[in-house]
Amino acid sequence: EADIYQTPRYLVIGTGKKITLECSQTMGHDKMYWYQQDPGMELHLIHYSYGVNSTEKGDLSSESTVSRIRTEHFPLTLESARPSHTSQYLCASSERTAMGSPLHFGNGTRLTVT
Amino acid sequence: LAKTTQPISMDSYEGQEVNITCSHNNIATNDYITWYQQFPSQGPRFIIQGYKTKVTNEVASLFIPADRKSSTLSLPRVSLSDTAVYYCLVGAIRDDKIIFGKGTRLHILP
Repeated sequence: EADIYQTPRYLVIGTGKKITLECSQTMGHDKMYWYQQDPGMELHLIHYSYGVNSTEKGDLSSESTVSRIRTEHFPLTLESARPSHTSQYLCASSERTAMGSPLHFGNGTRLTVT
Repeated sequence: LAKTTQPISMDSYEGQEVNITCSHNNIATNDYITWYQQFPSQGPRFIIQGYKTKVTNEVASLFIPADRKSSTLSLPRVSLSDTAVYYCLVGAIRDDKIIFGKGTRLHILP
């Protein structure tokens, strides 16, 4: 199994609070991703990174921000949480090789903003 | 990434072989085909990847015809625990932006 960890697993927080969702991988993967998924719905790419100091926005506009200061760490931050941010957030990583490498996902953080 | 089309949902029974077909008419020469499985409240899990002909691993087989405009994921002798959403992705190995479609919701009945 791939070693990619997300914390917390569940988070219930009030409107207006600042939150950071943690994602770490121990595989030395260059590429990391954040997806947002509502129950029973498709995954939406919100951020990705192809290495240290690189971050890009995905297909779904998000008020969150990310950083990639270290290879193994790709945290996602919401400066001011709102009920519309309630969702599951999934982090993934992959190698950047010529032969291709599948995505390895964490178990996600289920965020509820009240 | 090439656009893909899969059935929204499928039902099957325990012990049956299940085939899920994905259409990707605009597949490019350097695109690979990758399938993922997702259980509720978990992240997707890689199942199989291929470029052409047939690929088999301990979980599934992937059949890709010569024109590569479609692919079929085959799950042998399914069980209730195979109930999940299955995603077909088509893209170049160096694609940085990996986009998932709606997937196929497979429901296995006893």
